[in-house]
Amino acid sequence: DGGITQSPKYLFRKEGQNVTLSCEQNLNHDAMYWYRQDPGQGLRLIYYSQIVNDFQKGDIAEGYSVSREKKESFPLTVTSAQKNPTAFYLCASSTKLGGRTDTQYFGPGTRLTVL
Amino acid sequence: AQSVTQPDIHITVSEGASLELRCNYSYGATPYLFWYVQSPGQGLQLLLKYFSGDTLVQGIKGFEAEFKRSQSSFNLRKPSVHWSDAAEYFCAVGSGYSSASKIIFGSGTRLSIRP
Repeated sequence: DGGITQSPKYLFRKEGQNVTLSCEQNLNHDAMYWYRQDPGQGLRLIYYSQIVNDFQKGDIAEGYSVSREKKESFPLTVTSAQKNPTAFYLCASSTKLGGRTDTQYFGPGTRLTVL
Repeated sequence: AQSVTQPDIHITVSEGASLELRCNYSYGATPYLFWYVQSPGQGLQLLLKYFSGDTLVQGIKGFEAEFKRSQSSFNLRKPSVHWSDAAEYFCAVGSGYSSASKIIFGSGTRLSIRP
C-alpha cells in the first residue's frame, strides 16, 4: 500500500535535547512538508521541500531543521532552540509543490512531549 | 495574502440530522479549496477538493461542498450524519500558480454527534 509513515507515534524529550522525527513516503511524490498542530489551532507550516537536496522555511521554522537527501524521506529535527516544542507534528507530501492539481496527503502524525 | 476562516469552533448535531460546516476564504484569483477530516490523534484525510468546473463537489463518506465565488465560501455539507463523523474538520485554500505557493489551513471545526 502506498502512503506516508511517521515514526515514532509518541516521543518524549527532555529539555535541552534535540530530537528527530521520521517521515517516509512511497507515493513517489516530489514535494514534502512538515506542519505543527497545537490544540485549537490549524496547521502551521514549518518547512517544505520541492526536490531532493532543496528545502525552504515555512512560517515557523525557528528552532527546527530538516534534510532531504532522498526523495522518499524528509526528517525533521526539533532542536533545543525551539522554545515550546510540545505539539503534534504532521508530515505531508504532494506530487508537485504549487501545481494546479496539487493535493497534500498526510501521515498519521507524531506527538512530541517535552518533559 | 491567502487566508481561510472557519467561524464555528465547535458544532454539535444529532445523529441523522443534516450538517453544514462553514468556510470562508480570502484570495484574489480563483483558489483551489480543500476539506480535510481529522480523527483524534490521527493525520488528516482528504474529503474533497475544488479546482475548477462544477461548483458542487462530491467527496468521500457522503460529504459534498459548494463553491460560491460571490460569497467567498466553500461550505461542507452532509444530509445525514453518523456517529462516526465526529471529528475535526479543516478547510484549506491554496493558489496553485507558483512553485512557492502553499496551502493555508483554517483553525478547524470540531464536530460532536448527539446520540
